[in-house]
Amino acid sequence: ELKVEQNPLFLSMQEGKNYTIYCNYSTTSDRLYWYRQDPGKSLESLFVLLSNGAVKQEGRLMASLDTKARLSTLHITAAVHDLSATYFCAVGQGGSEKLVFGKGTKLTVNP
Amino acid sequence: GAVVSQHPSRVICKSGTSVKIECRSLDFQATTMFWYRQFPKQSLMLMATSNEGSKATYEQGVEKDKFLINHASLTLSTLTVTSAHPEDSSFYICSARAPGVSNQPQHFGDGTRLSIL
Repeated sequence: ELKVEQNPLFLSMQEGKNYTIYCNYSTTSDRLYWYRQDPGKSLESLFVLLSNGAVKQEGRLMASLDTKARLSTLHITAAVHDLSATYFCAVGQGGSEKLVFGKGTKLTVNP
Repeated sequence: GAVVSQHPSRVICKSGTSVKIECRSLDFQATTMFWYRQFPKQSLMLMATSNEGSKATYEQGVEKDKFLINHASLTLSTLTVTSAHPEDSSFYICSARAPGVSNQPQHFGDGTRLSIL
């Protein structure tokens, strides 16, 4: 059974600081996604990672994937308040289109 | 880009009422859609996979007779919560993946917040 663990679950940081969110998964997968969710809203796709060593960057966010370690990271550079949200990683379940989500990381960026 | 529309966005109703939620893919055809449930401050849990023209596939522990899914066309899936009770109150989200390039991300509807009194 595929299990996805994210940490930390809660992250409070100051503007301008850097931090990394981690996503570990238990079985081999060929795809991993990062999503953002604002309070009361649905999910917005951020990154799609499909191969070992994949790195994607958008603004202050950068995601990477190490399939051998079964680990993805979401790195935040010089955080700003607008990045405050809950971030989920989701891992594809082999042989199907199903996704298994991590518990999410609630990020709060303080001025 | 791919857009998924979900309706209604919010429902408040009495216990015992049945509630229907619609999920539409607006600019693509989706043979498969997914229904998730999210409790406050928790992650998304997959409830079922909706398959166009055939029966939905439910995850373990999800009552088929309680959560009826119909996927009658390539752009519409519906979830009906039958005889809803307060414990069914939750945020329900659907998703679909545009066909074509494999491994594209699922696109999510805006969600339906269901409150049963």
